[in-house]
Amino acid sequence: NAGVTQTPKFRILKIGQSMTLQCTQDMNHNYMYWYRQDPGMGLKLIYYSVGAGITDKGEVPNGYNVSRSTTEDFPLRLELAAPSQTSVYFCASNRADYGYTFGSGTRLTVV
Amino acid sequence: GIQVEQSPPDLILQEGANSTLRCNFSDSVNNLQWFHQNPWGQLINLFYIPSGTKQNGRLSATTVATERYSLLYISSSQTTDSGVYFCAVELRSNDYKLSFGAGTTVTVRA
Repeated sequence: NAGVTQTPKFRILKIGQSMTLQCTQDMNHNYMYWYRQDPGMGLKLIYYSVGAGITDKGEVPNGYNVSRSTTEDFPLRLELAAPSQTSVYFCASNRADYGYTFGSGTRLTVV
Repeated sequence: GIQVEQSPPDLILQEGANSTLRCNFSDSVNNLQWFHQNPWGQLINLFYIPSGTKQNGRLSATTVATERYSLLYISSSQTTDSGVYFCAVELRSNDYKLSFGAGTTVTVRA
């Protein structure tokens, strides 16, 4: 049972480039989330999804887009990367009465 | 707005010492979890504890939901306990969304 899998683990982007961070879970959880963690800070919610076809904004959605076509996958798209998007990105899924499970993170640097 | 406050912000321990970390939150909760972020950045789920008391080895946690706080106890600390401990709360007023505190950085010295 792999849990929540994120790819890539590391990436360097140039300003203005785009990329997609991949997230997949094999626990059949309906709820999935994207968080970012800036150095020395807690995690902030970017987007979340309560099921396939349903997504909504979190605290810091600007500059990002998501889609949820299947229960398993929840990719995060960065358009026109900016230095302010340099961060560590975590994907998570949730099951009621069990709690959140986080992926191992993607460390993104925009130069 | 949503408030999750952790204290202390930093904690330095000698190996073998005991400690208590505190998390205060501003509203009734659906979910409360404690996480340990290790020096490699991994977030490890320690406890799912919206109420009551749980123990796992040298770690235990208590949440008093009516008084809106949770405590994480570390006993006989080891150097591998070093890292950042986060309290994260899903408030009933903010369904489906986990909000994180700023964390407590624990350093255990040999």
